[in-house]
Amino acid sequence: KAGVTQTPRYLIKTRGQQVTLSCSPISGHRSVSWYQQTPGQGLQFLFEYFSETQRNKGNFPGRFSGRQFSNSRSEMNVSTLELGDSALYLCASSGGLAGGTGLSTDTQYFGPGTRLTVL
Amino acid sequence: DQQVKQNSPSLSVQEGRISILNCDYTNSMFDYFLWYKKYPAEGPTFLISISSIKDKNEDGRFTVFLNKSAKHLSLHIVPSQPGDSAVYFCAASLWNDMRFGAGTRLTVKP
Repeated sequence: KAGVTQTPRYLIKTRGQQVTLSCSPISGHRSVSWYQQTPGQGLQFLFEYFSETQRNKGNFPGRFSGRQFSNSRSEMNVSTLELGDSALYLCASSGGLAGGTGLSTDTQYFGPGTRLTVL
Repeated sequence: DQQVKQNSPSLSVQEGRISILNCDYTNSMFDYFLWYKKYPAEGPTFLISISSIKDKNEDGRFTVFLNKSAKHLSLHIVPSQPGDSAVYFCAASLWNDMRFGAGTRLTVKP
């Protein structure tokens, strides 16, 4: 089975621009989550999409948005880029189905990430 | 808000000894906990997990302990090997909303 793929792998933008990152999940996975990784902050949750609907959202400003297509591929968009948006953006896919008791037992599989540099 | 904390940014151990990585969380509603390992230029890879209904899960050299009353999670690696050198993230999950710690860089010296 092919793993999670992310494109592009590297991106350089300037302040004020916008950027769109793409994530293709593992075949059959319906949940895609996005994370931002910066030094010292670890992995910070952005949002999760399941069946084309945003199901969970982290504490990021509205400049960060996403969407999911019917084939489960997901895109993340950041508008009006700021220097502090420079980070590694990771997406992860999983089956997305919680257990009947609500237990979140899915394992997430991560892509290699997109390294965004904002100048 | 940092709901999951790894207070040690780095840890160095000798090959063959035990590595203990610690993690604390604040939200008692988390019901599933995981450890991920990350090498440079790669995405994190799943290592081991534990449900909130258990207090221990073992997989080969890796054991995860959960102390719900203390809201504390730990990963034990015995014996440690140089190939274990990586950044380890703990994560806590509720309904697929997963929160990660900042990571601990483990260095295993030969």
